[in-house]
Amino acid sequence: DAGVIQSPRHEVTEMGQEVTLRCKPISGHNSLFWYRQTMMRGLELLIYFNNNVPIDDSGMPEDRFSAKMPNASFSTLKIQPSEPRDSAVYFCASSLRTLGGSYGYTFGSGTRLTVV
Amino acid sequence: GQSLEQPSEVTAVEGAIVQINCTYQTSGFYGLSWYQQHDGGAPTFLSYNALDGLEETGRFSSFLSRSDSYGYLLLQELQMKDSASYFCAVTPRGYSTLTFGKGTMLLVSP
Repeated sequence: DAGVIQSPRHEVTEMGQEVTLRCKPISGHNSLFWYRQTMMRGLELLIYFNNNVPIDDSGMPEDRFSAKMPNASFSTLKIQPSEPRDSAVYFCASSLRTLGGSYGYTFGSGTRLTVV
Repeated sequence: GQSLEQPSEVTAVEGAIVQINCTYQTSGFYGLSWYQQHDGGAPTFLSYNALDGLEETGRFSSFLSRSDSYGYLLLQELQMKDSASYFCAVTPRGYSTLTFGKGTMLLVSP
């Protein structure tokens, strides 16, 4: 298996532009997570899907952020309009759903977003 | 709510043993996980403790004591490649997602 695949690896965009991040989870995993990592705040959960359905989006910062999972093999995270404070590394992760996380998450390589 | 506290940085030399502690304040959780992240890379799953006690996986061991609200990751026979950030994480009871600590940067020197 190729693991969790994210694209693009790097994105530099101007403030106000729309940004779309993409993720392909591991085949057979039924849970997908979007996390954001910054030096100040560490790894923060943005949204969690189970069987393609959004279960917990309480971490989505504001209406500028949206996420979709149209099928089991693809998810997107969109920021519109983007702002400099959105600059971070965005990780997608997938796993088999468990109550305790015992199977662990497999993270993608991340998208490093810079908004100027 | 839940909060996880880890030291921000730990240093050690090759061949040594190092322990990275994780203390937590949470109303309840299913288990304690550990992840490793090399600079510029993705976090990778290391271990999971559902029950109190020690779990061993090669050079790495992880420990949990719920009564002490405390866990640790033990790395033995340190190698230069172990230089990375290490995160503890929990799934709060009633949730299905991981909450991560801020991470501990381990620097291994020759």
